[in-house]
Amino acid sequence: SAVISQKPSRDICQRGTSLTIQCQVDSQVTMMFWYRQQPGQSLTLIATANQGSEATYESGFVIDKFPISRPNLTFSTLTVSNMSPEDSSIYLCSVGRGGGTEAFFGQGTRLTVV
Amino acid sequence: AQKITQTQPGMFVQEKEAVTLDCTYDTSDQSYGLFWYKQPSSGEMIFLIYQGSYDEQNATEGRYSLNFQKARKSANLVISASQLGDSAMYFCAMRSPERGQGGKLIFGQGTELSVKP
Repeated sequence: SAVISQKPSRDICQRGTSLTIQCQVDSQVTMMFWYRQQPGQSLTLIATANQGSEATYESGFVIDKFPISRPNLTFSTLTVSNMSPEDSSIYLCSVGRGGGTEAFFGQGTRLTVV
Repeated sequence: AQKITQTQPGMFVQEKEAVTLDCTYDTSDQSYGLFWYKQPSSGEMIFLIYQGSYDEQNATEGRYSLNFQKARKSANLVISASQLGDSAMYFCAMRSPERGQGGKLIFGQGTELSVKP
């Protein structure tokens, strides 16, 4: 299984501030995925991060709010900008393996905005 | 449009018994993958099992098996000999076919499983 180190594991932030979440993978991967899970809800894809190109955002998510970096094939960051209480969620990064037969997640970042 | 449906918000099972968690999907693609994940209260997503659309055999991983009925577009998870540690939220997901590794996943709403002693 892929080892994905995600940090921080949790944080409590003031509204109006920004938080950067980091994901480090134990081997090179082409694509990394960022998901959001709002309280009591399922997971929703925020964006796909490819190394060397801009991230591809899903409908309803914009780069100004969720800027993503992908400096190399093992690392990515997601920033949640200008936070409001509605951003309180679990944020998870994910990578695929085995030609698409496996998909692993980081431990998740539980964000509370007050 | 692709869609995953889990119709059981919550399920109860007695310890040591088997339980089936339902999942139906909708896609027009011929090639796709189906996943099941376990999410305990800690929030991490634990990969359980995978079934490819062209796989002829149902996938099995230890106590987990996937009852794949392609014509009915269902991919139910069967957990045998339930344990107290199986109590968690379970998500069914589908991979949309894209070039490169993995591909993004579409998730169902989840089923919360409670195992009774």
